[in-house]
Amino acid sequence: NAGVMQNPRHLVRRRGQEARLRCSPMKGHSHVYWYRQLPEEGLKFMVYLQKENIIDESGMPKERFSAEFPKEGPSILRIQQVVRGDSAAYFCASSTQGSNTEAFFGQGTRLTVV
Amino acid sequence: QKEVEQDPGPLSVPEGAIVSLNCTYSNSAFQYFMWYRQYSRKGPELLMYTYSSGNKEDGRFTAQVDKSSKYISLFIRDSQPSDSATYLCAMTDASGGSYIPTFGRGTSLIVHP
Repeated sequence: NAGVMQNPRHLVRRRGQEARLRCSPMKGHSHVYWYRQLPEEGLKFMVYLQKENIIDESGMPKERFSAEFPKEGPSILRIQQVVRGDSAAYFCASSTQGSNTEAFFGQGTRLTVV
Repeated sequence: QKEVEQDPGPLSVPEGAIVSLNCTYSNSAFQYFMWYRQYSRKGPELLMYTYSSGNKEDGRFTAQVDKSSKYISLFIRDSQPSDSATYLCAMTDASGGSYIPTFGRGTSLIVHP
């Protein structure tokens, strides 16, 4: 039973580089959510996507961050020109289509900017 | 005021104790309530999911929702050291078709032998 798959699990980038985080939702799920978690803080919503559409990106920083969920393939969270403050755990969750049901999470990608 | 408030703890209890974890919220449109357990350096794992007010029981876990008070609880009976983790509450509303779960900060639970 494949759950939500995120890769890589750990990512180290130097300041100014780009970070690409991938998320494959559970089978049958077409809704994807990205969250960021800083140490000692809760999960902060970033963006909500359905296939080929961004539904809500109200939690996404206006610059350097972008997300996509193409018709084929995983959802991608892209961070350009990373800074030390981007260091965090990034979690992806997925849920079923058209239903306000529970969301299932991946194991996260831990980004460290050096 | 945050939409969802949750005491971060830590809450330390002896093995076998009954644990009560709570969240309060301000958005009366929330209708779906979830509890997640997160072990250190892992992703959140869904424990319980309830709709509207009432109780739901699953093994040693009971979730309660009191919409009139905007207060939800998770009870853990016969707590075990393996229950030591951070517990996050989350909730969603259906207004405008929004399905985005809003999370509390999480409560760190330590069950000592």
